Amino acid sequence: AQKVTQAQTEISVVEKEDVTLDCVYETRDTTYYLFWYKQPPSGELVFLIRRNSFDEQNEISGRYSWNFQKSTSSFNFTITASQVVDSAVYFCALSGLDSNYQLIWGAGTKLIIKP
Amino acid sequence: EAQVTQNPRYLITVTGKKLTVTCSQNMNHEYMSWYRQDPGLGLRQIYYSMNVEVTDKGDVPEGYKVSRKEKRNFPLILESPSPNQTSLYFCASSPRPVGEKLFFGSGTQLSVL
Repeated sequence: AQKVTQAQTEISVVEKEDVTLDCVYETRDTTYYLFWYKQPPSGELVFLIRRNSFDEQNEISGRYSWNFQKSTSSFNFTITASQVVDSAVYFCALSGLDSNYQLIWGAGTKLIIKP
Repeated sequence: EAQVTQNPRYLITVTGKKLTVTCSQNMNHEYMSWYRQDPGLGLRQIYYSMNVEVTDKGDVPEGYKVSRKEKRNFPLILESPSPNQTSLYFCASSPRPVGEKLFFGSGTQLSVL
């Protein structure tokens, strides 16, 4: 069965620090998709990134970067020079044939950026 | 503007009183889904629909009903709500069922007393 583990329930850092949010997944599929979503205090869910299992290139988007490593079944998310506006709950999710391509969500990591 | 519209935003009701949460998307998406979000549990899927007239159970379907009579609408029905259905509900859609990002509604906070 597929599973997504976000072991960090809550992380608190001071503004401008770098922070990494961990995501470890389990799947028997060879083709699958990984996602990160952000949920700011206002409550909406915002898509950040999608990766398919054949694309292990790391991605950078401004201060955000993602490190996909199939060897360790991890898809970690790093925020460089964090800002107060980055405070949110971040979810990692997985979809593959094993779940009929329905998203399996991690429990989320609450990130608090202190001024 | 491309969006998923969910109503109401907040709802307080009493045990046993039937209610419907509406969800509509204007992007001609094939796929729609309902989730509930509870603290510490992430999002759990209730029902999903691959296309019109095609619906399937997710992980937590008990106590819920859905229908997909037209492509744009995917209402969530609670025939006899109970307090354990107090939760934050999200509707989502995507162009296709496989591997696409989801577009989410703004959520419905439901309290069942």
